[in-house]
Amino acid sequence: AQTVTQSQPEMSVQEAETVTLSCTYDTSENNYYLFWYKQPPSRQMILVIRQEAYKQQNATENRFSVNFQKAAKSFSLKISDSQLGDTAMYFCAFIRIQGAQKLVFGQGTRLTINP
Amino acid sequence: NAGVTQTPKFQVLKTGQSMTLQCAQDMNHNSMYWYRQDPGMGLRLIYYSASEGTTDKGEVPNGYNVSRLNKREFSLRLESAAPSQTSVYFCASSRTLDRGYGYTFGSGTRLTVV
Repeated sequence: AQTVTQSQPEMSVQEAETVTLSCTYDTSENNYYLFWYKQPPSRQMILVIRQEAYKQQNATENRFSVNFQKAAKSFSLKISDSQLGDTAMYFCAFIRIQGAQKLVFGQGTRLTINP
Repeated sequence: NAGVTQTPKFQVLKTGQSMTLQCAQDMNHNSMYWYRQDPGMGLRLIYYSASEGTTDKGEVPNGYNVSRLNKREFSLRLESAAPSQTSVYFCASSRTLDRGYGYTFGSGTRLTVV
């Protein structure tokens, strides 16, 4: 079974700083997708960024980028020039390409951006 | 375009009461899911439906039942609510053939069992 681990329950940084959220996962699969979801206080789950395991290039979406280390099974999220609106819970998630289509989540990291 | 719609948004139940959480999607997705979110545990899969007419257990199915009424609707039923079922519940849907698309989530239901 696949597992996803986020070892930082809470983080706090000042506005405009750069912050990195950690995620590790365990799988025997070779092909899969990884995601970061954002959950602001509104409770809505918002897809931030996705990474295909068979692509070596790290995904980027504006101020959000990932550091994908397949051999180490690590998938960290970097937020550059952090903004107050980035305050949220962030979840790392994994889905395999073959077999049962189930998105597996980590425990989440609560990120607070301070003014 | 509504996406995934869940009702109700909030609910308080007494121990032993039953209720059904409703979920509907208008994106023509084949697959639908029910998750629960608890502090420090992320989102855990309760049940899922890969396609109309099929349902399967997820990680935490005990105490719940589901019905895939049609392609659009997937309901979650608590037959006899327990305080341990106090949680935030999310319904989600996805395409079957493009797993990189991710899931689309509803806005959640906060359920309190007293």
